[in-house]
Amino acid sequence: DTEVTQTPKHLVMGMTNKKSLKCEQHMGHRAMYWYKQKAKKPPELMFVYSYEKLSINESVPSRFSPECPNSSLLNLHLHALQPEDSALYLCASSLGTSGTETQYFGPGTRLLVL
Amino acid sequence: GEDVEQSLFLSVREGDSSVINCTYTDSSSTYLYWYKQEPGAGLQLLTYIFSNMDMKQDQRLTVLLNKKDKHLSLRIADTQTGDSAIYFCAENGGATNKLIFGTGTLLAVQP
Repeated sequence: DTEVTQTPKHLVMGMTNKKSLKCEQHMGHRAMYWYKQKAKKPPELMFVYSYEKLSINESVPSRFSPECPNSSLLNLHLHALQPEDSALYLCASSLGTSGTETQYFGPGTRLLVL
Repeated sequence: GEDVEQSLFLSVREGDSSVINCTYTDSSSTYLYWYKQEPGAGLQLLTYIFSNMDMKQDQRLTVLLNKKDKHLSLRIADTQTGDSAIYFCAENGGATNKLIFGTGTLLAVQP
């Protein structure tokens, strides 16, 4: 089973709202990722967690706050977002982060910020 | 730089072969990947090739790697309308496992 699940599928929020995106995998993977994808563009890496510790933050604004409560779950907390943050947010996981590990992606959460 | 280049668009007829090309930049990449993205969906891993190989075949998919020219291609045999999607190549950015994606190729299959 190579399934990564994400909830919700769609999210509409105002600029003053606080919301969270969730990602889950049960493949025993120890690395999890958040990507942001704008329309007609490739995904851009935001964060990497390795063994439940944040290992990469690609200079993402603090209005995006990741959390990894355990090895199967990854959250992305959203607060005071801007309309330009509207995008598809993709979660991925891999066995590790050794540089040879294949990443498996979830279906994404489509976010609209009004 | 980290630019991974792909042609933007490819149109083929159903039953023909499709060839999607990718030029990558990091000669130290260990694995190179092809992902498929259907409209409104996430990325589906199609196949990958280890950098010491020059060809990999997986059913209708053939991946060719020219490491000297840093050129990767994906051939889809007997292309079907269900193959219509955006195809991304990606290189593995070394020890951090950071994926560098290509610009994406929109494949349109005409019935």
